[in-house]
Amino acid sequence: DTAVSQTPKYLVTQMGNDKSIKCEQNLGHDTMYWYKQDSKKFLKIMFSYNNKELIINETVPNRFSPKSPDKAHLNLHINSLELGDSAVYFCASSPQLTSGPNNEQFFGPGTRLTVL
Amino acid sequence: AQKVTQAQTEISVVEKEDVTLDCVYETRDTTYYLFWYKQPPSGELVFLIRRNSFDEQNEISGRYSWNFQKSTSSFNFTITASQVVDSAVYFCALSEETSGSRLTFGEGTQLTVNP
Repeated sequence: DTAVSQTPKYLVTQMGNDKSIKCEQNLGHDTMYWYKQDSKKFLKIMFSYNNKELIINETVPNRFSPKSPDKAHLNLHINSLELGDSAVYFCASSPQLTSGPNNEQFFGPGTRLTVL
Repeated sequence: AQKVTQAQTEISVVEKEDVTLDCVYETRDTTYYLFWYKQPPSGELVFLIRRNSFDEQNEISGRYSWNFQKSTSSFNFTITASQVVDSAVYFCALSEETSGSRLTFGEGTQLTVNP
C-alpha cells in the first residue's frame, strides 16, 4: 500500500495551460503539504493544510491554488503555467500540525512538471 | 528565522572511503527537530533520521552515523565504508516548534561514490 501517492508522475505541458496534480495519503494524517524542488534541487515548502484548512501559504503566486476536499487529499491546481514553474512537486503528510517527536513527514514520489 | 546550510555542494569519493556531510542550522527556538533525507537518482525522498534538540546523543545505524552538536549548531552525517548505492543527494532539514511541522531544507549535498 502506498502511503502518499501523487498523480501524475510526469506532466509535460505548454506555457499558459492550466494543470492539476493530485495527492492522496492513506495514513490517517491530519496535515498535508506541497513542496517545490527546483532545477538546483532546492526544496521549499509551498503550502500546508491541516484538516482541510490552509495553514501555510509561503508567498506562492496566486496562479497556484491548493484544494483539500478532505483531509486525505491535497490537490494542487496551477493556472497559466510559466516556464519557471518547471520543477518537481512533492506532496507530504504528517500526523499533526505541531512539531513533535513523532511528527515525521512522509513524502510522495514527486511529480515532475515540465513547461514548454 | 530558521535556516539550514549545507556548504558542500558536491562530494566525490571512492568506494569504501568514509565521508562526512556537513549541516549547520540556525534557529531561535529552544525546541526543534533535525532531519536527514536521502534522494537517490530515482527521485524519491527517503527519511533517514530525526533528532530533537534535547537529545545530543550521537546515533549509529549500520554504516550511518550522526553527530549532533548544539554548541556549533551542527548535525553532521557520516557514511562509513561508502558504497556505490550511497550515491544520492542528501538533505538536512529543520523543523521548529513555533513553526509547526514545516521543514526547512538545506541546499543538499550531491554524493557520488565511484567504484
